[in-house]
Amino acid sequence: DIQMTQSPSSLSAFVGDRVTITCRASQNINNYLNWYQQKPGKAPNLLIYGASSLQSGVPSRFSGSGSGTDFTLTITSLQSEDFATYYCQQSYSPPRTFGQGTKLEIK
Amino acid sequence: EVQLVESGGGLIQPGGSLRLSCAASGFTFRSYWMHWVRQAPGKGLVWVSRINIFGNNTIYADSVKGRFTISRDNAKNTLYLQMDSLRAEDTAVYYCVRETSTWPPGFDFWGQGALVTVSS
Repeated sequence: DIQMTQSPSSLSAFVGDRVTITCRASQNINNYLNWYQQKPGKAPNLLIYGASSLQSGVPSRFSGSGSGTDFTLTITSLQSEDFATYYCQQSYSPPRTFGQGTKLEIK
Repeated sequence: EVQLVESGGGLIQPGGSLRLSCAASGFTFRSYWMHWVRQAPGKGLVWVSRINIFGNNTIYADSVKGRFTISRDNAKNTLYLQMDSLRAEDTAVYYCVRETSTWPPGFDFWGQGALVTVSS
């Protein structure tokens, strides 16, 4: 199975900050990498697919990059509604493994 | 509007069985691969199972293989997860998830989740 490792596990930031979350795959997954946002008590929401494609309806302050084994999610100008937990997921091969999550908190 | 509505969750004793259902609406259900993803209380997301559009190709996480069965009824626009020989570690919120038709694929719509609690 492909292991997905996110860093950091948690992160504190101010409204207006720029933050970056990284995700590393245990093997080459090309660009088969997705990012999700999950708020407490809610289902996850797809933000980025194919490593860098913005899902419809997602604000442009979210962006993704990377290929192969190393990927990043960047949020520019953090808004209060962005404080949540973020997960990466590989869709290269089953099982469709997720990272352990990064909890983004208000500083 | 795309909707996925799970039902069938609840409290069940270890060793018992439960069947989750997911009613889909607002899209052509028979055209999409579907998945189940679970999340134990306070923990991360774990992929459970996937079924193709015809229902004749399924795969499972090792942790549920041989105990869980995914199926679908395209005439009823419904996805199922039959869960047998349940264990305490199966306690989780179970999400019904649609896979995108774009490539590479992602999970673009999720149900609200069904809580399954396995406890004596």
